[in-house]
Amino acid sequence: GAVVSQHPSRVICKSGTSVKIECRSLDFQATTMFWYRQFPKQSLMLMATSNEGSKATYEQGVEKDKFLINHASLTLSTLTVTSAHPEDSSFYICSASPSGGHNEQFFGPGTRLTVL
Amino acid sequence: QKEVEQDPGPLSVPEGAIVSLNCTYSNSAFQYFMWYRQYSRKGPELLMYTYSSGNKEDGRFTAQVDKSSKYISLFIRDSQPSDSATYLCAMSARGNEKLTFGTGTRLTIIP
Repeated sequence: GAVVSQHPSRVICKSGTSVKIECRSLDFQATTMFWYRQFPKQSLMLMATSNEGSKATYEQGVEKDKFLINHASLTLSTLTVTSAHPEDSSFYICSASPSGGHNEQFFGPGTRLTVL
Repeated sequence: QKEVEQDPGPLSVPEGAIVSLNCTYSNSAFQYFMWYRQYSRKGPELLMYTYSSGNKEDGRFTAQVDKSSKYISLFIRDSQPSDSATYLCAMSARGNEKLTFGTGTRLTIIP
C-alpha cells in the first residue's frame, strides 16, 4: 500500500513551453501533497504544499506564477512549470500524506525535467 | 545553524557490518521522525516512521529517537550491497505538515 505515482517520469522540452507533471496517490486519499525539487547530490527542497480544494502554499523564493499547482481531488495534484527555461531543469518529486493516517509522507518516483 | 544536521558522508562499510546513521536537530517541537532511503534518480522510500521518543524495529532496521538529546538514529544490521543509497532523516512538529530534511548520508556497502 501507500503508493504514489508520477507522470511523466522524464520529459524534455524546449525553452518557453509549459510542462505539466501529475502526482497521484494510488491506494489512499491525500488531503495534503507536497512538491519538491532536487538538484544532483543535494537534498530535497520543498517548493509548495498543496491542499485539496484550496490554494497551494509556496515556500519563500518559489514563484507561484511560474510553478502552478492544482490539487483537484484527494488523489491528484499537478505541477505545471510555465514558460520553462534551462534553469528549471531538475528532478521534481511529490509526496502525499494519507488522510486520517499516521502522518507519514510517501514519495513518488520523481520526474526528471530537461529544458533545452 | 541548520534545524537538522546530518553528516553527508560518504560512509563506506563492509558487507555484514552494522551501520549507524544519525541526525541531530534543534527544534524541540519536532515529534514526527522519519528515515528515507533514496537510490540515485529515484524518489525517497519511507523506511521508518516514529512518533515521539523510543525505539522501533522493522527487520534489519532499527530507529531510535531521543528527544531529550534531540538525536535520532537509524541502525542497519547485516548490511547488504543493496543497502547502498542515500539515507535522509526527516521530521515535523505536526502531522500533514512539511518535513524538514537532513542533507542525507551517502552509504556504500562494500561486498
